Amino acid sequence: AQKVTQAQTEISVVEKEDVTLDCVYETRDTTYYLFWYKQPPSGELVFLIRRNSFDEQNEISGRYSWNFQKSTSSFNFTITASQVVDSAVYFCALLWMDSSYKLIFGSGTRLLVRP
Amino acid sequence: EAQVTQNPRYLITVTGKKLTVTCSQNMNHEYMSWYRQDPGLGLRQIYYSMNVEVTDKGDVPEGYKVSRKEKRNFPLILESPSPNQTSLYFCASSLMRGRSPGFITDTQYFGPGTRLTVL
Repeated sequence: AQKVTQAQTEISVVEKEDVTLDCVYETRDTTYYLFWYKQPPSGELVFLIRRNSFDEQNEISGRYSWNFQKSTSSFNFTITASQVVDSAVYFCALLWMDSSYKLIFGSGTRLLVRP
Repeated sequence: EAQVTQNPRYLITVTGKKLTVTCSQNMNHEYMSWYRQDPGLGLRQIYYSMNVEVTDKGDVPEGYKVSRKEKRNFPLILESPSPNQTSLYFCASSLMRGRSPGFITDTQYFGPGTRLTVL
């Protein structure tokens, strides 16, 4: 079965702290795609990153970095030197590789960055 | 600007009054999909379309209809809305790559969401 687990429901940090959001996935496919989306208080879903199962290189984009480990089925997201504008709900998602091509979302982690 | 647009953004209606939520994308994407987001249930797929005139049910299609007469538009129709359809609705689109049966969708980009309340 395809499943995405984000065990952290809410995280609260003080500005400039580093924070890691965990994502664990389950899939029987050997080829799969993982995503992170951000949902700020305004409600839209903003694409952050896409990763395929054959590319285990970690990625860094400014203050954001992602650690993909197939051995532990994890795709964790770290924000370095967090800012108030990072406050949002963050979703990890797995692409379902059947005919629907739907995204299987985790339940989301609400991040609150306090000034 | 490449984008997915939805209208209306907010809608309050009454039970049984037919409504349509429009979705349009300007990226020439083949794949389009509707999701609803509910507290505690996350995002669930309602319907999807892989190209013009090709639509299929997702996980929660009951009470909804869709059509895909043009590549850019994918409206969501609620023929007789009920209070349990109160939700936040998202339209998404993406490129399709490859050939059947080996299609793969590229990144799904989402519209801004439509918050629907059915009284």
